[in-house]
Amino acid sequence: GIQVEQSPPDLILQEGANSTLRCNFSDSVNNLQWFHQNPWGQLINLFYIPSGTKQNGRLSATTVATERYSLLYISSSQTTDSGVYFCAVGATGANNLFFGTGTRLTVIP
Amino acid sequence: DAGVTQSPTHLIKTRGQHVTLRCSPISGHKSVSWYQQVLGQGPQFIFQYYEKEERGRGNFPDRFSARQFPNYSSELNVNALLLGDSALYLCASSLFTTEAFFGQGTRLTVV
Repeated sequence: GIQVEQSPPDLILQEGANSTLRCNFSDSVNNLQWFHQNPWGQLINLFYIPSGTKQNGRLSATTVATERYSLLYISSSQTTDSGVYFCAVGATGANNLFFGTGTRLTVIP
Repeated sequence: DAGVTQSPTHLIKTRGQHVTLRCSPISGHKSVSWYQQVLGQGPQFIFQYYEKEERGRGNFPDRFSARQFPNYSSELNVNALLLGDSALYLCASSLFTTEAFFGQGTRLTVV
């Protein structure tokens, strides 16, 4: 399967700071998603972004498929942004998602 | 619109028992996938079903099985439970190989 590496594994930010989370993957993909997992375990969809750039409020994401990486930007972080962020990819022609081990973000007031 | 719904939300079972977890996909979605997430790790793929046929299987033992019904809802069955089966089980719904949406999960504890 596809190897997915996320960095950093842990990140502590002061409220209001900006951050960049990175996702590297080992093969070509036709699906890439970013999720935020809340304390109750639910995976919240942030972006479906197999290529290109998207923005949604304080969050934006960029995927450079030819170089096999994706970035998630969080600006003006808030305490409610705390949690684990997962990158997941789907291989071309396959049906399942491969997840990274996540980045645990803690935003302190 | 209802999202992906899973039941039950929590479950405690004894080693050796059998468990059935249920998932209802988003209306109009014909693909359901199951994932297992153990503490501290990312979810791992177990099965995908599309139009009631198995379309993918992860690296899990034969104790794990699943099926999809005509209304596209799905069941995940696990036999002969082991302590290591304790995990959060997540169901995902999608049109096919497109954006996946997850339910809130079933937290299974095996004692």
